[in-house]
Amino acid sequence: EADIYQTPRYLVIGTGKKITLECSQTMGHDKMYWYQQDPGMELHLIHYSYGVNSTEKGDLSSESTVSRIRTEHFPLTLESARPSHTSQYLCASSDWGSPLHFGNGTRLTVT
Amino acid sequence: GENVEQHPSTLSVQEGDSAVIKCTYSDSASNYFPWYKQELGKRPQLIIDIRSNVGEKKDQRIAVTLNKTAKHFSLHITETQPEDSAVYFCAGFTGGFKTIFGAGTRLFVKA
Repeated sequence: EADIYQTPRYLVIGTGKKITLECSQTMGHDKMYWYQQDPGMELHLIHYSYGVNSTEKGDLSSESTVSRIRTEHFPLTLESARPSHTSQYLCASSDWGSPLHFGNGTRLTVT
Repeated sequence: GENVEQHPSTLSVQEGDSAVIKCTYSDSASNYFPWYKQELGKRPQLIIDIRSNVGEKKDQRIAVTLNKTAKHFSLHITETQPEDSAVYFCAGFTGGFKTIFGAGTRLFVKA
């Protein structure tokens, strides 16, 4: 079934560790996004991509980086995790002028 | 800059009553307005959307109205049920790329 998949679902990690959150979609969408959201609160755009080899920073300052080497894959990397990074990270994809499809999210806790 | 304001932030209604959530947008180039529902612990999901060439759209108990002149749009839920309890996000999509989300409305439907 065409969908957008995020792994891991939950992650608990110590301060200073490097982590990569995975996101893959099988819908053939060109546009992909990463949002940070504390549960039930505002959605903050941290990165987005128009297509392969395109990456842009969003509205929320972030110490993370992204890459888009393949259309279906848009991983998010934190080089050095800190407790302030504790949050939920939602990946999404869309066609131009169409609604966003969200993944189930990764709940990150940095101790 | 581009902005979408959403009101109220919290809404509590009795089962069977109607609920209305309002959003205003700043970018007159916005041409597409989706609404998302996020249940507790789940991902945001599209429930209804409207494009700028239409003034109203209805899908069973939910409807969306758009006033382009005043730059505001509203979500109407009739005959509310406990399963309507969730956080609702409005969004505006500009002609370029960006989807701008409102801050969300937490709807409680009391049985």
